[in-house]
Amino acid sequence: DSGVTQTPKHLITATGQRVTLRCSPRSGDLSVYWYQQSLDQGLQFLIQYYNGEERAKGNILERFSAQQFPDLHSELNLSSLELGDSALYFCASSVDAGISSYNEQFFGPGTRLTVL
Amino acid sequence: AQSVTQLGSHVSVSEGALVLLRCNYSSSVPPYLFWYVQYPNQGLQLLLKYTSAATLVKGINGFEAEFKKSETSFHLTKPSAHMSDAAEYFCAVSEPNDYKLSFGAGTTVTVRA
Repeated sequence: DSGVTQTPKHLITATGQRVTLRCSPRSGDLSVYWYQQSLDQGLQFLIQYYNGEERAKGNILERFSAQQFPDLHSELNLSSLELGDSALYFCASSVDAGISSYNEQFFGPGTRLTVL
Repeated sequence: AQSVTQLGSHVSVSEGALVLLRCNYSSSVPPYLFWYVQYPNQGLQLLLKYTSAATLVKGINGFEAEFKKSETSFHLTKPSAHMSDAAEYFCAVSEPNDYKLSFGAGTTVTVRA
């Protein structure tokens, strides 16, 4: 158990809908990362938040957005869903000791999204 | 920008045989390198990491990896495979001052009795 929790575990929805995925980082971790794992794209970094602020952005679609709340939990919002958005979405957290230091990322169990 | 290439999407080994998973990286600066394991229907678990200390890195479950700068490689080995090693393995790279992990495509390991 990494200490990172994600809800829900599974989500089935229809095209065009909007969903919210939730992540609670390990106690004391300030950074949250979101990754997407799909059959065709593999594991891709989407976005990182640090202490409530967006810090880095990867291959995240404009239909997707995220935020980190004062209690440090994070939500990933996916809208206008398409079949190709079906994937496993992982959240990871790290303590973030500072720039140029190594920050191990601990991964949650993931949310499996199926778009029908 | 950094990237990772894992050679071989599937590896099949006999129980007790050597496990060798290959990973080559591309990075403009000295990287941090990682191996993660993913068991079916589970998240990613860190096996081991290289962060510019010793080039031979020992991890959990008897795995180790060697960082070879001249070959830009970070191959993962385990001397004797166990049935419980059946899983998918991902090599990943990150760069200092960059926060994201860039993953390889993954290698699925099956272990034959």
